[in-house]
Amino acid sequence: GAGVSQSPSNKVTEKGKDVELRCDPISGHTALYWYRQRLGQGLEFLIYFQGNSAPDKSGLPSDRFSAERTGESVSTLTIQRTQQEDSAVYLCASSRTAGNTEAFFGQGTRLTVV
Amino acid sequence: AQKITQTQPGMFVQEKEAVTLDCTYDTSDPSYGLFWYKQPSSGEMIFLIYQGSYDQQNATEGRYSLNFQKARKSANLVISASQLGDSAMYFCASGYNTDKLIFGTGTRLQVFP
Repeated sequence: GAGVSQSPSNKVTEKGKDVELRCDPISGHTALYWYRQRLGQGLEFLIYFQGNSAPDKSGLPSDRFSAERTGESVSTLTIQRTQQEDSAVYLCASSRTAGNTEAFFGQGTRLTVV
Repeated sequence: AQKITQTQPGMFVQEKEAVTLDCTYDTSDPSYGLFWYKQPSSGEMIFLIYQGSYDQQNATEGRYSLNFQKARKSANLVISASQLGDSAMYFCASGYNTDKLIFGTGTRLQVFP
């Protein structure tokens, strides 16, 4: 597609439920990044992929968070047993390759845990 | 650890005037990059400008320029000839490249007629 696409754009879930957030990067982009943005804050790095491998998972806040990427394309961020502190906007970005200086972001998924 | 500080939570500027958004950074890495992103109300992050730590000249991209002062560890964004569409949140970030960016808390810029 023309840009990075994320779905859903909004998600409301009950505490304790699992959620899956999807990211479709720009076609041909081999690097993909996930960030979290809490209300009024800057972005926090979660994880990045080069191809289908994740060289850096250091930002995942707990073992309830996981991410995968298949076919060097779509990525899914999964949050298990959601907590209220997981409420945030989750932003995905892609870049032609890792080690680049320009990344293109999607519009994010706003997750609200009630 | 890297840290980005943006001390201006909000800034106002009149249309057609220039504005400077402050950013200071703290890193022990010998080589690093500094990035500025714009986040309009729609939510996506739009890349504006990049400065490498070894670049001799300040980066410029159209109406955006980066005032890089390495000794002071500052990387201020200058927007010339402000337009109403410049109203947004602006984030400074650092990283060796885009693989793991550290962001500041942002500055909300409002341009008024």
